[in-house]
Amino acid sequence: RKEVEQDPGPFNVPEGATVAFNCTYSNSASQSFFWYRQDCRKEPKLLMSVYSSGNEDGRFTAQLNRASQYISLLIRDSKLSDSATYLCVVSDQTGANNLFFGTGTRLTVIP
Amino acid sequence: DAGITQSPRHKVTETGTPVTLRCHQTENHRYMYWYRQDPGHGLRLIHYSYGVKDTDKGEVSDGYSVSRSKTEDFLLTLESATSSQTSVYFCAISVSGTGGLWENSPLHFGNGTRLTVT
Repeated sequence: RKEVEQDPGPFNVPEGATVAFNCTYSNSASQSFFWYRQDCRKEPKLLMSVYSSGNEDGRFTAQLNRASQYISLLIRDSKLSDSATYLCVVSDQTGANNLFFGTGTRLTVIP
Repeated sequence: DAGITQSPRHKVTETGTPVTLRCHQTENHRYMYWYRQDPGHGLRLIHYSYGVKDTDKGEVSDGYSVSRSKTEDFLLTLESATSSQTSVYFCAISVSGTGGLWENSPLHFGNGTRLTVT
């Protein structure tokens, strides 16, 4: 069983749409959660951390459900520039070899 | 910009040849990592370093070695490249004191090295 699982997509949505991705993790001791964005043939970059109480950054909302062991990312009013792959990252903070990456969910926003 | 530079950006090499990839950082961070990224897999840790001459294996370390003789440089060596090592390699740094992540210390990645082993 993978430590972190994501729906690979692709998600193809029209501009202006709202889209949501989920990511499940297997280790209940996980402490830190992140969404990274990766553009085609580029390096991953931090999009946002995910806080226990949920957090919002502009059009992006991240939520954590510890009971069901998943995190989610909601993108409102999708822009063409949101087209990318979104990676879920989970850490238990005990050390450098305990960082787990999902395979990513690919989003394409269509004009 | 976290000041991480990887070189080379692209490399094509033949099976059986040695290859060294370089990661250079300018911010004196303690923890450095080498990952590989392949279709159908999340980023997978190859090796990491927690200081000069202090390194440890990651999930997929077979066939790879690393060295860190200076804080700023972390080298990844494929002693005898195989086709299964064709991949995109990313170096990363973490600003945390333990190497783990928390909300204020995400990973910063270099721009990657595309390695093709023919």
